[in-house]
Amino acid sequence: EVQLVESGGALVQPGGSLRLSCAASGFSVDDFAMHWVRQAPGRGLEWVTGISWNSGAIGYADSVKGRFSISRDSAKNSLYLQMNSLRPEDTAFYHCGKDRTLYLSSVESWGQGTLVTVSS
Amino acid sequence: DIKMTQSPSSLSGSVGDRVTITCQASQDIRYHLNWFQQKPGKAPNLLIYDASNLQTGVPSRFSGSGSGTHFTLTITSLQPEDLATYYCQQYEIPPLTFGGGTRVDLK
Repeated sequence: EVQLVESGGALVQPGGSLRLSCAASGFSVDDFAMHWVRQAPGRGLEWVTGISWNSGAIGYADSVKGRFSISRDSAKNSLYLQMNSLRPEDTAFYHCGKDRTLYLSSVESWGQGTLVTVSS
Repeated sequence: DIKMTQSPSSLSGSVGDRVTITCQASQDIRYHLNWFQQKPGKAPNLLIYDASNLQTGVPSRFSGSGSGTHFTLTITSLQPEDLATYYCQQYEIPPLTFGGGTRVDLK
């Protein structure tokens, strides 16, 4: 059974940094594209970033480009999101997702999310 | 970036109703479109990929159609468990972008 469990969400001050983790089980993170998608409380879905199976394709939303970085660790079967220069508008639940394919297309499995709050 | 516009933003239906949600892309995305369902307090669930392919385990009352810039999601017979918010998403060109969502509730 595919499972994704996010961690690392916290209250952080504007300008601060945070690293989110997503522990995967039931599959290898090397065998599929992976994503981070966020949702501010009461708002819609926003794709943040994704990485193809071989890291040949990595994309970022304009709102996070240059501040956020996606990576994965095969040995730990985990996905990460490094977030720097955080802003209040980054406040949201952050979900990691497993793609249906090798490339950035359709998130078919989702974690329950971890809450990031950016506030002074 | 490709902008995805959904309509309506909300709708009310009765059990058994046929419901249609539309999604328009700001440029040609061929068939590279997903539909997701999100129930309150839950993670989204993939319903349709490649514009018209039903994800495994999704009831057959859900269907998707369209290509290019105009797409539709249809629920042929609305059920109480279909109360949720529905999102389209394009994956033709990164960044992948979602529509604003359509909230479906019961009359």
